[in-house]
Amino acid sequence: AQSVTQLDSQVPVFEEAPVELRCNYSSSVSVYLFWYVQYPNQGLQLLLKYLSGSTLVKGINGFEAEFNKSQTSFHLRKPSVHISDTAEYFCAVGMNYGGSQGNLIFGKGTKLSVKP
Amino acid sequence: SQTIHQWPATLVQPVGSPLSLECTVEGTSNPNLYWYRQAAGRGLQLLFYSVGIGQISSEVPQNLSASRPQDRQFILSSKKLLLSDSGFYLCAWIRADYGYTFGSGTRLTVV
Repeated sequence: AQSVTQLDSQVPVFEEAPVELRCNYSSSVSVYLFWYVQYPNQGLQLLLKYLSGSTLVKGINGFEAEFNKSQTSFHLRKPSVHISDTAEYFCAVGMNYGGSQGNLIFGKGTKLSVKP
Repeated sequence: SQTIHQWPATLVQPVGSPLSLECTVEGTSNPNLYWYRQAAGRGLQLLFYSVGIGQISSEVPQNLSASRPQDRQFILSSKKLLLSDSGFYLCAWIRADYGYTFGSGTRLTVV
């Protein structure tokens, strides 16, 4: 069975500082990996995804993530955060059924709080 | 363009009352559709998914049910709400580029 662990439930950081939100997964098969962002009382918006190819994935709003198969991790990073990045971030994994995507399993989320 | 609509945005319902949340998708056909519930500190819990009209798979036994009467319509229902049904409900569909697109959500408060 798949599982996703987001290691930090809350991450406070000052504006313009770098940030890393950690995500580890477990799966016995090949996976697709995703990061979503959720602003208060809104749905989830896709930040970036890893399907195959380069392990460094760049997304919207200056975020990037690196797929590390040996460590089963997909950590999200941004070199300099803004106040507007304050939101909840969800890591998700989906099994790769030979090119078809199965249902996504989500982590419990990490609340990023950017302070001035 | 491909869009997903979900309503209402907020809902306050008494315990024991019925529930009906609707989700519709535009700009695509035969989408895989999903209902998720988000409770504080618990992440997103997959409730139901549907791969076609009349086809519903339940992931978690609960007080809720889902129906798909039309290709692009997905409905979440309950006959009698419980306090524990409170939460943020999200509808989603899988896009061809392997991403989920989420609706804007419904905040349900059962009182």
